[in-house]
Amino acid sequence: QQPVQSPQAVILREGEDAVINCSSSKALYSVHWYRQKHGEAPVFLMILLKGGEQKGHEKISASFNEKKQQSSLYLTASQLSYSGTYFCGTERATDSWGKLQFGAGTQVVVTP
Amino acid sequence: NAGVMQNPRHLVRRRGQEARLRCSPMKGHSHVYWYRQLPEEGLKFMVYLQKENIIDESGMPKERFSAEFPKEGPSILRIQQVVRGDSAAYFCASSPNTILSSGANVLTFGAGSRLTVL
Repeated sequence: QQPVQSPQAVILREGEDAVINCSSSKALYSVHWYRQKHGEAPVFLMILLKGGEQKGHEKISASFNEKKQQSSLYLTASQLSYSGTYFCGTERATDSWGKLQFGAGTQVVVTP
Repeated sequence: NAGVMQNPRHLVRRRGQEARLRCSPMKGHSHVYWYRQLPEEGLKFMVYLQKENIIDESGMPKERFSAEFPKEGPSILRIQQVVRGDSAAYFCASSPNTILSSGANVLTFGAGSRLTVL
């Protein structure tokens, strides 16, 4: 039921790109992406609804492949501020509003 | 807008004591969710409440845990007779009364309450 995120961790130099994947075995209604810095609240980045649309937030974008029930988060030209743990939260049409199943997270470290 | 307010930020309890965690949702939000996060893990859904109603408590342990969201005042997550395994960060999130025009429901999280059971 819990989505699977990969990779578990990634280390980048400033300016490099990375992709984080989130896969579910269940049919999804939406995928939510959050970033959490150590000891802080998860911060909402973007939401994707079924339909395969792509969204963007600065140089962070995401896509949702409904056929594969998979979402990907793209970090482009990474900045130091992108460091943190990224979580995908998935929502099924049959679930209550806001009942998200979160992946285990992908730790991103951006170095100078 | 003060955001989602949780208190206390840190709470230490001895085994067998009670823990009460409070959450005030964002202004204009009437949906409250509680999630638990163990160290180095993702967030696990516990319960979804609206004012005076529990909508979905499928993630709540059957014993010792309870949640409420009264007509007046904050939502409270109560853990009775705490055990070491209850040590975790407990996050509250809220969402607005209406969904976005796109049909989506976005959660705003509080900073969390970190419970340590000795």
